[in-house]
Amino acid sequence: EIVLTQSPGTLSLSPGARATLSCRARQSVSGSYLAWYQQKLGQAPRLLIYGASSRATGVPDRFSGSGSGTDFTLTINRLEPEDFAVYYCQQYGRSPLTFGGGTKVEIK
Amino acid sequence: EVQLLESGGGFVQPGGSLRLSCAASGFTFTYFAMTWVRQAPGKGLEWVSTISGSGGDTYYADSVKGRFTISRDNSKNTLYLQMNSLRADDTAVYYCAWGGLQSAFDVWGQGTRVTVSS
Repeated sequence: EIVLTQSPGTLSLSPGARATLSCRARQSVSGSYLAWYQQKLGQAPRLLIYGASSRATGVPDRFSGSGSGTDFTLTINRLEPEDFAVYYCQQYGRSPLTFGGGTKVEIK
Repeated sequence: EVQLLESGGGFVQPGGSLRLSCAASGFTFTYFAMTWVRQAPGKGLEWVSTISGSGGDTYYADSVKGRFTISRDNSKNTLYLQMNSLRADDTAVYYCAWGGLQSAFDVWGQGTRVTVSS
């Protein structure tokens, strides 16, 4: 099983700031099958990034993903009020599919 | 527009059974893998099970293997999750998602809540 560790657990930032979220895998994620999801309270998750760096349809370009192998990053430039949420990384290249524990981005 | 609508959640005693359904629309259902993901109260996301487009390949998390069965009816554009021998730690919101192995989860349903308690 590919264990994903997200850090930090909580990120306290002001609107307009840049958020940098980390996702580390214990084993290499094959084919860069790494995705990022956003989840707001009481809502279903929403796909933001797939293939480590490709934005899903309709996702603003302030969201960007990077990385390969075992180290991946989600960057949110110029945080908007609607960006404060929980973010999960996921590897979907190999069964069992696994999620990271999540990073909460909260308003400072 | 792609839509997924779950149903079948509810309250059940430990050891009981429940069948969840997920009605899909807006895409050619039979072409795509589908997945169930759950989220326990206040916790993160946990992958439960994935089924291929044809239904011929299925995958399960160790935590549900032998107790849950994923299936699909491509003539009805519907995904199912049969849950048997339910335990308290199966309590969660269950989401169906469009995607699976080597395919990120593009679209999610709104979720259906399952509570296992005596």
